[in-house]
Amino acid sequence: AQSVAQPEDQVNVAEGNPLTVKCTYSVSGNPYLFWYVQYPNRGLQFLLKYITGDNLVKGSYGFEAEFNKSQTSFHLKKPSALVSDSALYFCAVIGGLTFGTGTRLTIIP
Amino acid sequence: DTGVSQNPRHKITKRGQNVTFRCDPISEHNRLYWYRQTLGQGPEFLTYFQNEAQLEKSRLLSDRFSAERPKGSFSTLEIQRTEQGDSAMYLCASSPGLVILTDTQYFGPGTRLTVL
Repeated sequence: AQSVAQPEDQVNVAEGNPLTVKCTYSVSGNPYLFWYVQYPNRGLQFLLKYITGDNLVKGSYGFEAEFNKSQTSFHLKKPSALVSDSALYFCAVIGGLTFGTGTRLTIIP
Repeated sequence: DTGVSQNPRHKITKRGQNVTFRCDPISEHNRLYWYRQTLGQGPEFLTYFQNEAQLEKSRLLSDRFSAERPKGSFSTLEIQRTEQGDSAMYLCASSPGLVILTDTQYFGPGTRLTVL
């Protein structure tokens, strides 16, 4: 069985500070991991994915994610948060068609 | 706009009625997926199509739910005899269909169903 876990329901970060949204995974075989963002009353938007290669993956809107095999983690990061980054973020194992429960990110002006 | 579109965006119905949702995927995308999302939860997989073939169905897809993709283009999701527990956002996504494990899915805006 494939699964992802997002241990934090809510993350608050001051504008301009670095942000991290956590995700851990449990998969059999190679992990193919994704991050999506959801704004209010909207569908999910693709941010980035890890397939193979470099452990640091760069994506849309200045986001990046670090794949760590030993810790089975795939944390989403951004060096400097913007108020417009406030949204719901989902980690996913697409091959398993499985999404995490989501983390609500709030950027405080 | 060449993204995934879903209609209607909102649907309010009474318990026991049937409802049908439509999804138009990105053109040339072979795979089409349906998910259900309730408040505070991540999307839950319902079913997916490779062209017109329905390849997988979740145990969440009860007998009251049926999905079709008759010509491998748009898809419909029908819920018969709706129940209050069916109230949710229904999301559709499509992907190029190259390798399912690594395919990026592109989501539509969703259809919000409210069952009174």
